[in-house]
Amino acid sequence: AQSVTQLDSHVSVSEGTPVLLRCNYSSSYSPSLFWYVQHPNKGLQLLLKYTSAATLVKGINGFEAEFKKSETSFHLTKPSAHMSDAAEYFCVVRSGNTPLVFGKGTRLSVIA
Amino acid sequence: SAVISQKPSRDICQRGTSLTIQCQVDSQVTMMFWYRQQPGQSLTLIATANQGSEATYESGFVIDKFPISRPNLTFSTLTVSNMSPEDSSIYLCSAPGRITTDTQYFGPGTRLTVL
Repeated sequence: AQSVTQLDSHVSVSEGTPVLLRCNYSSSYSPSLFWYVQHPNKGLQLLLKYTSAATLVKGINGFEAEFKKSETSFHLTKPSAHMSDAAEYFCVVRSGNTPLVFGKGTRLSVIA
Repeated sequence: SAVISQKPSRDICQRGTSLTIQCQVDSQVTMMFWYRQQPGQSLTLIATANQGSEATYESGFVIDKFPISRPNLTFSTLTVSNMSPEDSSIYLCSAPGRITTDTQYFGPGTRLTVL
């Protein structure tokens, strides 16, 4: 069985400061992990993914995430927040060909 | 990646009626997926639509309420039947990438409001 826990339902940062969105996962087998972003009234966009290659994954818009097996974590970071980063972020886990399992989401607010 | 389109983008419906949502993928894919996102919630998988066979439904979802068609490798429809206000949600279609088959891409969603 797989599961994902996003530790914060809402994160608020000031523009230009670092972003950290936390995600812990549980998986019986080697997982694939994803971060998706959903802007208001928009569809889901893939930010980045981990599929057993390099543990530090770089995505679009300056985001990156590090897979830490010992901590079962896949936290999403960005050095400097931009107003356009305000959105809902979903951490997602998958093992093999099983369906995606979504976390509950973290709403990121960016304050000017 | 995959380019996925959905129609309609949004609709307002009366209770007791049905709405069919269309999903088109820009490449041939074996599996397509339908998700529901209730207001303020995360995504929940409704069913997996395989071409040439019956859709596979997740726990809590049944074919009579959410019939799915998959007539070819690029197209699928989801019908929300006998709607009630509790069906008000965003419905999203998803499919794997043409080359990056381990990654799912999503359509823009259909925002359904049931009065």
